[in-house]
Amino acid sequence: GAGVSQTPSNKVTEKGKYVELRCDPISGHTALYWYRQSLGQGPEFLIYFQGTGAADDSGLPNDRFFAVRPEGSVSTLKIQRTERGDSAVYLCASSLGPPAYNEQFFGPGTRLTVL
Amino acid sequence: RKEVEQDPGPFNVPEGATVAFNCTYSNSASQSFFWYRQDCRKEPKLLMSVYSSGNEDGRFTAQLNRASQYISLLIRDSKLSDSATYLCVVNIRGDSNYQLIWGAGTKLIIKP
Repeated sequence: GAGVSQTPSNKVTEKGKYVELRCDPISGHTALYWYRQSLGQGPEFLIYFQGTGAADDSGLPNDRFFAVRPEGSVSTLKIQRTERGDSAVYLCASSLGPPAYNEQFFGPGTRLTVL
Repeated sequence: RKEVEQDPGPFNVPEGATVAFNCTYSNSASQSFFWYRQDCRKEPKLLMSVYSSGNEDGRFTAQLNRASQYISLLIRDSKLSDSATYLCVVNIRGDSNYQLIWGAGTKLIIKP
């Protein structure tokens, strides 16, 4: 079956621009997660959706970051006024249920470069 | 002290050897634990879940020591394909909030 897909695979943008990153989770997975990962670091949690609602958005670094999942499936991570420090690989994952006891399946990531 | 700590390595190990590394956590209320494997420039993939004292899957064994607050990963008869970064994940509590803490990973290199 299809795994988690993310588009685009690479995104290069200029400082100050707006970007949208898309995640298509595994069909039937109610939980969806966004992370970002820098070289040599573990994934940094950003936000967790259970269905359409954000169950935990405590990892979003500031109000330039926003994510939606309007129909409980596809999710979009939106970054306004991008900064060079936003450059990272943005990973999306999904799971059948809550994160405590469910395996997370990751997408291949979107590599964001802010010039 | 970080909530989840791992030795970054790299651990350089000859093929066929046994290797073990630990992950320490600071929150004694932690309930569930995971080891994920991440190949270079790839996404993490679940290797093992640990909910009680430990878990074993083929050449891989995870042990949980609640008294000392660490989990270990043991790999026996290591293969070249085991070369990867191993990420430890600790769940603080099992409610609706996220509450997973990811370690920075331990890099393992298996040499022929």
